[in-house]
Amino acid sequence: KQEVTQIPAALSVPEGENLVLNCSFTDSAIYNLQWFRQDPGKGLTSLLLIQSSQREQTSGRLNASLDKSSGRSTLYIAASQPGDSATYLCAVNNAGNMLTFGGGTRLMVKP
Amino acid sequence: EAQVTQNPRYLITVTGKKLTVTCSQNMNHEYMSWYRQDPGLGLRQIYYSMNVEVTDKGDVPEGYKVSRKEKRNFPLILESPSPNQTSLYFCASRPSGSNEQFFGPGTRLTVL
Repeated sequence: KQEVTQIPAALSVPEGENLVLNCSFTDSAIYNLQWFRQDPGKGLTSLLLIQSSQREQTSGRLNASLDKSSGRSTLYIAASQPGDSATYLCAVNNAGNMLTFGGGTRLMVKP
Repeated sequence: EAQVTQNPRYLITVTGKKLTVTCSQNMNHEYMSWYRQDPGLGLRQIYYSMNVEVTDKGDVPEGYKVSRKEKRNFPLILESPSPNQTSLYFCASRPSGSNEQFFGPGTRLTVL
């Protein structure tokens, strides 16, 4: 059974720092991996989707990488801003029908 | 606006009183699913549906029912809610040709 782990569980950084969020998964036979953002009391917003054949995806200040063989993905946030404060979730799609989520990293960016 | 909507957004009920949480999407997506989110356990899939009249169990289906009579709607039914079903519920959808899922705003359910 797929297990997804995110480290750290919480992170607090000053504004302007570049930071890396980590996601690891136990079963490397994945279709894709998706990073989401969740604001308190809100739904999930899709940030980046990496197909299993891809190594990375970029959107603005966000860059997500995927190393399928080692079961790892990272989300890099450049020049962090207070508006980036949220919980970041990674989710792995194994069988096309089910996403397995990590526990999330709660990010606080201080002005 | 393309979106997934859920109703109600907040619900407090008592043990054993049947309830339905509705989910609707206006993107003509074939695939829809329900998740619950609990502290320390993350998001777990309850049920999913590949298309009209096609549903299947996810990781934690016990105590829940679903139906998919129309493409746009995928209601979650709790026939006899119990306190351990107190949670934050999310509906999601995606088109059959893509793996990118779109989530609704969530329904916070409290069962007393």
